[in-house]
Amino acid sequence: EPEVTQTPSHQVTQMGQEVILRCVPISNHLYFYWYRQILGQKVEFLVSFYNNEISEKSEIFDDQFSVERPDGSNFTLKIRSTKLEDSAMYFCASSGPGMADTQYFGPGTRLTVL
Amino acid sequence: QQQVKQSPQSLIVQKGGISIINCAYENTAFDYFPWYQQFPGKGPALLIAIRPDVSEKKEGRFTISFNKSAKQFSLHIMDSQPGDSATYFCAVGGRSYNTDKLIFGTGTRLQVFP
Repeated sequence: EPEVTQTPSHQVTQMGQEVILRCVPISNHLYFYWYRQILGQKVEFLVSFYNNEISEKSEIFDDQFSVERPDGSNFTLKIRSTKLEDSAMYFCASSGPGMADTQYFGPGTRLTVL
Repeated sequence: QQQVKQSPQSLIVQKGGISIINCAYENTAFDYFPWYQQFPGKGPALLIAIRPDVSEKKEGRFTISFNKSAKQFSLHIMDSQPGDSATYFCAVGGRSYNTDKLIFGTGTRLQVFP
């Protein structure tokens, strides 16, 4: 069964450093998302991406965040200058043509900012 | 402010019992109501979802009951098993609201004891 994959599974970085989280969505999907989950809390929407542009972003997704689909398979989330409060699980999700509401989540990247 | 209120926060059920988790939402424009199951260290996995044109949907041991007028929906797990022990999140979404994002509830930690 097709699945969303994410790398790395765990990223440790120093405050102020840039990180790039990578995702490979399900191959025929057209809608891509990033969510985050601070330990023990609910899953929060960050950004949605369709047709090579951001379709919606939350107030969390400030100028320090950016997303990119550099090729036909990868979808990345970049945090330019990490803060302690960016420590969280980051989940990539994708959904397919005609089923934009059914989002399938990857296993997540645990980001730890020291 | 968009909110999804989920209860209870935690639930302990004996094997074979019925687990019931409830969610309430505010905005009547939402038209997609999924439940996600999350095991520790994993991403949320779609369990079952419903749209407002039906009041109930059943898949195996899992049933969603939907009350459009009350703006509430619930997940029933029949014959609960220890393997069902996980965190369950309700969510709301829908393209009719001109958004792809899912808004998650705060989660319910279910423990099923043998």
